[in-house]
Amino acid sequence: GDSVTQMEGPVTLSEEAFLTINCTYTATGYPSLFWYVQYPGEGLQLLLKATKADDKGSNKGFEATYRKETTSFHLEKGSVQVSDSAVYFCALSPREGNTPLVFGKGTRLSVIA
Amino acid sequence: GAVVSQHPSWVICKSGTSVKIECRSLDFQATTMFWYRQFPKQSLMLMATSNEGSKATYEQGVEKDKFLINHASLTLSTLTVTSAHPEDSSFYICSASLSGKNNEQFFGPGTRLTVL
Repeated sequence: GDSVTQMEGPVTLSEEAFLTINCTYTATGYPSLFWYVQYPGEGLQLLLKATKADDKGSNKGFEATYRKETTSFHLEKGSVQVSDSAVYFCALSPREGNTPLVFGKGTRLSVIA
Repeated sequence: GAVVSQHPSWVICKSGTSVKIECRSLDFQATTMFWYRQFPKQSLMLMATSNEGSKATYEQGVEKDKFLINHASLTLSTLTVTSAHPEDSSFYICSASLSGKNNEQFFGPGTRLTVL
């Protein structure tokens, strides 16, 4: 079945460091891909998305490119801030229509000043 | 736009009681809503898919008689945890799909349930 694998955390970085959180997926067809962020005690917020191969999603300095050849959707940010500390979830939607998302296990990021 | 609310945001109850959690799409109609459960430091686990006007579809291993889902209108789905026990303590999150938005789902802020 469809699945998402993302790097295990926790990831601890100093402020202004470069961030990469790896995400790979397994799916039939052409899924849409998402990154969600969850701040402490809150629900999930959509960070960025890509709906087809080679699309790049970007938001708040974060980027991820839909790579069909490597079935990957790695999240990157050039310079992290303390306020980026959160749990990041990679997810896919396997097909069109009202289908539930398949989530990775989440990666906890801690940014220290 | 596309805001989903949940109520209550947290609840503490005694073992054996029932708790109802509401999920509302505030500015759009959602024919489908999803209920997830999140254990501490873990990912979201899909519990059920809720379709307006029909019975919910439960994932394998989720007891439908324990987790009652009602989707009575296009903007409201409810999850009732019946005869709650401490092992039901968890973070419950709903989401709603917005048709025509490339499968994007909008999540509620979650409800933290603690059963004593």
